[in-house]
Amino acid sequence: AQKVTQAQTEISVVEKEDVTLDCVYETRDTTYYLFWYKQPPSGELVFLIRRNSFDEQNEISGRYSWNFQKSTSSFNFTITASQVVDSAVYFCAHSNYQLIWGAGTKLIIKP
Amino acid sequence: DAGVTQSPTHLIKTRGQHVTLRCSPISGHKSVSWYQQVLGQGPQFIFQYYEKEERGRGNFPDRFSARQFPNYSSELNVNALLLGDSALYLCASSLGGGDEQFFGPGTRLTVL
Repeated sequence: AQKVTQAQTEISVVEKEDVTLDCVYETRDTTYYLFWYKQPPSGELVFLIRRNSFDEQNEISGRYSWNFQKSTSSFNFTITASQVVDSAVYFCAHSNYQLIWGAGTKLIIKP
Repeated sequence: DAGVTQSPTHLIKTRGQHVTLRCSPISGHKSVSWYQQVLGQGPQFIFQYYEKEERGRGNFPDRFSARQFPNYSSELNVNALLLGDSALYLCASSLGGGDEQFFGPGTRLTVL
């Protein structure tokens, strides 16, 4: 069965530090998708990225970058030069048609 | 363009009652999924509908049911409410079943 593990329950850093959120997944599917979502205090889930299982290229979008390594079943998320507005709960999820979610990592960015 | 909308935003019910939650997807999206999020946890998949057909169902009791209408909007129904049903109920829409899902603001259900 599919499973997503986000071992870091909470991370606290000072503004401008870089921070990496870990995500490890388990699946028997050969074709699947991986996602990251952000949930700010307002509660609405915000889509950040989708990767398919055949595309292991790392991706960078502004201060955000993602490292997908199929060999270790990991899909880690790095925020460079963190800002207070990055404070939120971040979820990693796996899907072939339904999303299976990790428990989330609460990220606190202190000014 | 309007995003995913859900109604109501908040709801208070008592044990044993029934509740209906509503969701309107982004225009052009044909798939709607429902999730339950208990405080401090990740969302749990309840249902997915695509083109008005149920495509998937999570590990929830038969008290939970849903449907999708010809305009692709959806309803989630929960019968015989229990205290443990108190949660944020999230609706997400996508173009197809495996595409990225865009979430509505959720309905906060409190069962007393």
